[in-house]
Amino acid sequence: GAVVSQHPSRVICKSGTSVKIECRSLDFQATTMFWYRQFPKQSLMLMATSNEGSKATYEQGVEKDKFLINHASLTLSTLTVTSAHPEDSSFYICSARVRTGNTIYFGEGSWLTVV
Amino acid sequence: QKEVEQDPGPLSVPEGAIVSLNCTYSNSAFQYFMWYRQYSRKGPELLMYTYSSGNKEDGRFTAQVDKSSKYISLFIRDSQPSDSATYLCACMKTSYDKVIFGPGTSLSVIP
Repeated sequence: GAVVSQHPSRVICKSGTSVKIECRSLDFQATTMFWYRQFPKQSLMLMATSNEGSKATYEQGVEKDKFLINHASLTLSTLTVTSAHPEDSSFYICSARVRTGNTIYFGEGSWLTVV
Repeated sequence: QKEVEQDPGPLSVPEGAIVSLNCTYSNSAFQYFMWYRQYSRKGPELLMYTYSSGNKEDGRFTAQVDKSSKYISLFIRDSQPSDSATYLCACMKTSYDKVIFGPGTSLSVIP
């Protein structure tokens, strides 16, 4: 199946700093990428939808200035958590929709720990 | 009311059993239905993708959608310990819409 790569898989950062997570579709073009966060034993919560070349659409309750999303190309989207706080510690997962179809594939996720 | 509901489990079955996982949804506009498997600390993996009502079979997995009752099922035959994971059902209104996930059902297959 199609491969979606996330990097880094794990990151620890100090409170108040910013951290960037990359999401790449390795063998297909993705016009749309989605960013989720998942707390332990809970389901995926959609944070935002990212379309190539346009501004991301954020879900209600998600701070766009805190979670900056950039979708600069058909294979890359980035999520930057700005001024991170311990409550931002979570599992962040991206997914990408195949350009020529409608199947959605997920990355392996990125564990963020803010200390 | 959440748009997609699942019994969170945990569900524990012996190896070789037939597993039935179920979801209900409230939005009649949903047309596309998926099942994902998620192992602990990993991203979800697409198992089944169906459009509208009907059955779809892939190996040991069978997905059923009944739009009249807004009910989605996933059956796993000859369950294996490696099937132990959380199973997430998901729905979309159109093929270009966002995906709405259920909370997931935790499954353990005991050797």
